[in-house]
Amino acid sequence: QVQLQESGPGLVQPSQTLSLTCTVSGGSISSRNYYWTWIRQHPGKGLEWIGYISHSGSAHSNPSLKSRVTVSEDTTKNQFSLRLTSVTAADTAVYYCAAAVGMGFGELRSWGQGTLVTISS
Amino acid sequence: EIVLTQSPGTLSLSPGERATLSCRASQSVSRAFLAWYQQKPGQAPRLLIYGASGRATGIPDRFSGGGSETDFTLTISRLEPEDFAVYYCQQYGTSPPTFGQGIKVEIK
Repeated sequence: QVQLQESGPGLVQPSQTLSLTCTVSGGSISSRNYYWTWIRQHPGKGLEWIGYISHSGSAHSNPSLKSRVTVSEDTTKNQFSLRLTSVTAADTAVYYCAAAVGMGFGELRSWGQGTLVTISS
Repeated sequence: EIVLTQSPGTLSLSPGERATLSCRASQSVSRAFLAWYQQKPGQAPRLLIYGASGRATGIPDRFSGGGSETDFTLTISRLEPEDFAVYYCQQYGTSPPTFGQGIKVEIK
């Protein structure tokens, strides 16, 4: 089972870009059938699927976030990343990276511990 | 998008009791791509059930999932102290994947 760890700034100013990285260990992000996924959880609220990048490099994001989201990968570092542009206070949340496996968009089998990102000036 | 509605919002039970959690979808879930997760305070969610009824690795057999199309259930046959947590269902067959709002199972 792979392990995942998020990293990135805990505080981002409004209108700026949120950038997070997820480091994967115990497996390669080029492994077949994996969807490297970002999820967020607003304080005290439920879970929201943000997007993924697959083992083949194809990406898919939640239409609710429109064109603000980019999920990318760095196979040389065994990492994948999230960029969210033009952030507002509504983007304050705990951000999780996760490994999804299987059919459809995959069930989320392994999760990072999560990182709180606060949007504030 | 598919809206998942979980009920009840809170379940107050005693250890040893049976818990039945419901997840209803606004439209049929493609190929039973329905998962259940457990989340404890300050922790990431943990996968319990996938494909509506498949138990994830290391999950005790007191957890079972069932259902199809729009109605799904997670059953905990006998609650252990470590089972008191929040439970989420998720559909992952249709874009975008969506989660229910969660059910809190608390000690009565």
